[in-house]
Amino acid sequence: ETGVTQTPRHLVMGMTNKKSLKCEQHLGHNAMYWYKQSAKKPLELMFVYNFKEQTENNSVPSRFSPECPNSSHLFLHLHTLQPEDSALYLCASSQAATVNEKLFFGSGTQLSVL
Amino acid sequence: GQQLNQSPQSMFIQEGEDVSMNCTSSSIFNTWLWYKQEPGEGPVLLIALYKAGELTSNGRLTAQFGITRKDSFLNISASIPSDVGIYFCAGPPLRGASGSRLTFGEGTQLTVNP
Repeated sequence: ETGVTQTPRHLVMGMTNKKSLKCEQHLGHNAMYWYKQSAKKPLELMFVYNFKEQTENNSVPSRFSPECPNSSHLFLHLHTLQPEDSALYLCASSQAATVNEKLFFGSGTQLSVL
Repeated sequence: GQQLNQSPQSMFIQEGEDVSMNCTSSSIFNTWLWYKQEPGEGPVLLIALYKAGELTSNGRLTAQFGITRKDSFLNISASIPSDVGIYFCAGPPLRGASGSRLTFGEGTQLTVNP
């Protein structure tokens, strides 16, 4: 059982659609993250939130819009995506957003953009 | 940015064999983390290393923090079919790291034949 829950597990969307990914952590952590995982590439950090404040945006296109209403919930709003955005999107949490923190990942949302 | 090189990229072994994989960096790391990702799931933390030379075990898994602080090794003894998955190394480089910028390797894909 994971302490980080992501929904939906799978999502297929057209380029003109608007959808949202949801993440919830039950670990009492204060930092949450979005990562993108594409085939044959290392995990790419997208966004970091620490105590609900965004502390890092890794040059992510504006068609990805994160939202963190509290330390337990994280959303990724998607609009006008491109086919190359198809990937596994992973949410993670840690006690705090410091350098040596261990990350705990959710199962991910497998996104396909048609 | 920082890069971690994992080798081998993939391994095909027979059940019962021992496995060894490694991770190298051009930068000094002060923490090494090893994750395993099974198909359709997010990465799960296996072992965390915090000191050069440290050797840590988790069941049949043993990981070591290299003396140079630029490498780490993961060994799996007496492999079983459920060891199948992708093994990632990760860590924050000593200099230039800010906040939570963990760097991930590209992973070693392990296949175990019964």
